[in-house]
Amino acid sequence: AQSVTQLDSQVPVFEEAPVELRCNYSSSVSVYLFWYVQYPNQGLQLLLKYLSGSTLVKGINGFEAEFNKSQTSFHLRKPSVHISDTAEYFCAVSDRSGGYNKLIFGAGTRLAVHP
Amino acid sequence: SAVISQKPSRDICQRGTSLTIQCQVDSQVTMMFWYRQQPGQSLTLIATANQGSEATYESGFVIDKFPISRPNLTFSTLTVSNMSPEDSSIYLCSAGTGGKPTDTQYFGPGTRLTVL
Repeated sequence: AQSVTQLDSQVPVFEEAPVELRCNYSSSVSVYLFWYVQYPNQGLQLLLKYLSGSTLVKGINGFEAEFNKSQTSFHLRKPSVHISDTAEYFCAVSDRSGGYNKLIFGAGTRLAVHP
Repeated sequence: SAVISQKPSRDICQRGTSLTIQCQVDSQVTMMFWYRQQPGQSLTLIATANQGSEATYESGFVIDKFPISRPNLTFSTLTVSNMSPEDSSIYLCSAGTGGKPTDTQYFGPGTRLTVL
């Protein structure tokens, strides 16, 4: 089965600074990767996903992620964060063990943007 | 895309009772999923529910404790049975529109359950 490791449980950053949230996945022949965001007291919202093709994926709210097959990574980046980006971010991989498709989530990274 | 609503949004329950959580999708979907998110932790998949078939449970979760119904393509329920304080969590419903590994899953806002 697939697995996902988010290397940082918390990332504090000042407003307008760049940020990178790290995600590594277990190697597989084909892999589909997702980043979701969870704002306080809300459900999850898709930021972006990598299915195939260009390794640089652009998502909503100015976020982007780069798929790196050799390093089995899918790090999320934003060049300039806002206070409103404070949230929990989850990396996920699609898994088909058991005969059906499901998402396996990482432990999450709490992004705290300070003024 | 799909918009998902859940009822109740939160509840406080007594030990030994059961709670049924409803999940409604605004369009027909193939796959529906139920997750548990314990305080400060990630999402753990409880089960996958397809319309017209028995739910498929992940390791560590059993039908007697978490019975699931999926009567049609827009609705599902999860029951948390014989609750204990360890069941205090956020329960999230999600839906996938096509059943493929590339599909986006859309999430409901969650049900925050506290068991006393």
